[in-house]
Amino acid sequence: QVTLRESGPALVKPTQTLTLTCTFSGFSLTTSGMCVSWIRQSPGRALEWLALIDWEDDKYYSTSLKTRLTVSKDTSKNQVVLTMSDMDPLDTATYYCARIRQWPATVYFDYWGQGRLVTVSS
Amino acid sequence: SYVLTQPPSVSVAPGQTARITCAGDNIGSKTVHWYQLKPGQAPVLVVYDYNDRPSGIPDRFSGSIPGTTATLIINRVEAGDEADYYCQVWDSTYDWVFGGGTKLTVL
Repeated sequence: QVTLRESGPALVKPTQTLTLTCTFSGFSLTTSGMCVSWIRQSPGRALEWLALIDWEDDKYYSTSLKTRLTVSKDTSKNQVVLTMSDMDPLDTATYYCARIRQWPATVYFDYWGQGRLVTVSS
Repeated sequence: SYVLTQPPSVSVAPGQTARITCAGDNIGSKTVHWYQLKPGQAPVLVVYDYNDRPSGIPDRFSGSIPGTTATLIINRVEAGDEADYYCQVWDSTYDWVFGGGTKLTVL
């Protein structure tokens, strides 16, 4: 059974760096084709793709946010970590991690976590 | 940027058919995927690669192969289908792109 779960702070101050962890089970990020991605949804707004890391440790970032994002993995812990620097109130959102199973043959997210609501406020 | 346009809302009576559209430039050249979002729950993939369903998704959910638009079709709509629905494509320049989302209301 595939599961993903996001964890991290619920509240961060402006200019701080956000660190979120995605802990997953039911698959391994050492398997060919496997990827974990980060996606967010700000209140009242659409889903926005942020970053992706694949089984070969290749990393992809949203063009508009790439200067602020870093994604990494710890395969021994089945975890993927996202950091986002210089947080702003506009970054208030629910942050999701999600899986792609056979990149690049498939480009859809077949399993998602429940999300972590992060509020940016002083 | 690559833009996917969805209607903000669609309303349908129980038992009827809901159609949610997703328009984008040359969308017919891309594979389209659809997600269901309910408050407090993990998003769910309901249709992938135009018209395939993951296991566990009822066959009431289907997708059209797009000409100028892609369409998610939900037959025999139930109260439990009330949710936000998002289309998604992958673009070689813009990576993973989502539509603006459509709120499905079951009357």
